[in-house]
Amino acid sequence: GESVGLHLPTLSVQEGDNSIINCAYSNSASDYFIWYKQESGKGPQFIIDIRSNMDKRQGQRVTVLLNKTVKHLSLQIAATQPGDSAVYFCAELSKGDYKLSFGAGTTVTVRA
Amino acid sequence: DGGITQSPKYLFRKEGQNVTLSCEQNLNHDAMYWYRQDPGQGLRLIYYSQIVNDFQKGDIAEGYSVSREKKESFPLTVTSAQKNPTAFYLCASSVKALNSPLHFGNGTRLTVT
Repeated sequence: GESVGLHLPTLSVQEGDNSIINCAYSNSASDYFIWYKQESGKGPQFIIDIRSNMDKRQGQRVTVLLNKTVKHLSLQIAATQPGDSAVYFCAELSKGDYKLSFGAGTTVTVRA
Repeated sequence: DGGITQSPKYLFRKEGQNVTLSCEQNLNHDAMYWYRQDPGQGLRLIYYSQIVNDFQKGDIAEGYSVSREKKESFPLTVTSAQKNPTAFYLCASSVKALNSPLHFGNGTRLTVT
């Protein structure tokens, strides 16, 4: 079946370094992708999104890259800070659908 | 401040009892959603509603029921038929348009013993 998943469940990063979080998806009809950040005990918070007609999008300290050829999505966080410690989820939406499908999440821990 | 309010934050129930989780939004969003989150897992869709008085089952609707009588409210009832109800429940909303992100509440943690 279709699935969305992340390559690694955990990522430990030194404060100040760049983080890269990866996500693979299998649905060829996926049209829209979102990265969410979830802190402990809270709901997911929108970080950045990208549509399938783009391959890169930048926000404040974050960049999302989309490679449709290999069905791969990544989130890059520049100069990682302690406040970036959280679980990061990728989510995808199929064309014409309203239901987001979520991956299992990557837990990012920032070392001081 | 516009947002999504879920209440209560923590809820405890005895097995065999139905329980209703509240979700209210003042974002004027047409679409609302309920997700379930279990430890170490992604979010799984329970029910969603794209418009008032209409809703559809998600991937894990068994043992749950919803209503959408008002645009701003989408309560979820966890019935006694739900075999494994202890979980973190997240409500979300979005504008009714393709390619629009979901905005989430801060969840209700339900524990059934």
